[in-house]
Amino acid sequence: DQQVKQNSPSLSVQEGRISILNCDYTNSMFDYFLWYKKYPAEGPTFLISISSIKDKNEDGRFTVFLNKSAKHLSLHIVPSQPGDSAVYFCAASNFGNEKLTFGTGTRLTIIP
Amino acid sequence: DGGITQSPKYLFRKEGQNVTLSCEQNLNHDAMYWYRQDPGQGLRLIYYSQIVNDFQKGDIAEGYSVSREKKESFPLTVTSAQKNPTAFYLCASSYVTGSPDTQYFGPGTRLTVL
Repeated sequence: DQQVKQNSPSLSVQEGRISILNCDYTNSMFDYFLWYKKYPAEGPTFLISISSIKDKNEDGRFTVFLNKSAKHLSLHIVPSQPGDSAVYFCAASNFGNEKLTFGTGTRLTIIP
Repeated sequence: DGGITQSPKYLFRKEGQNVTLSCEQNLNHDAMYWYRQDPGQGLRLIYYSQIVNDFQKGDIAEGYSVSREKKESFPLTVTSAQKNPTAFYLCASSYVTGSPDTQYFGPGTRLTVL
């Protein structure tokens, strides 16, 4: 039972344009969400997070949007750069629980 | 520099052998985690520990064992009972605050069973 889903296994975006990565979840108890970026043969690195009391969080070129009613979150990267080419995982948890549930990842390729 | 180290980076094992993957952190984190990544799949939790001398099974604990004798160390043993051990193994750590907190990952160990 996949509680966190990333339905697009891959995405290609022109350099300088906006990249939008999507994530859906089914567990209504989740109230904290994170995005990680992963290069091949390396560990994931934390990008940005959002709690359910907010619907938007920004950090530089990265913005995460949360739509609780739709159980959907998205990561926007503007402008996209070649170094953004990586696999992006969304993850979810709930307060009182340190465990994270990860999605299957989306491979983002930025085309120069 | 604070961080998480995993060794070795690549590991080869013959079928039927147990093998232990190392994970050390100097971030003073209370919690440590082991994940497995297979192609086309997300990270799946094997075991986690929130305090020394205590650990809990994750979603795919069968065929694995762990110990947590020191706060800094959380070794994972892949036993011969694990049917498909070839995978990329990731260790992570975080604070325990009662709220979800960011987990920080090591560089990973790729295990190949020959």
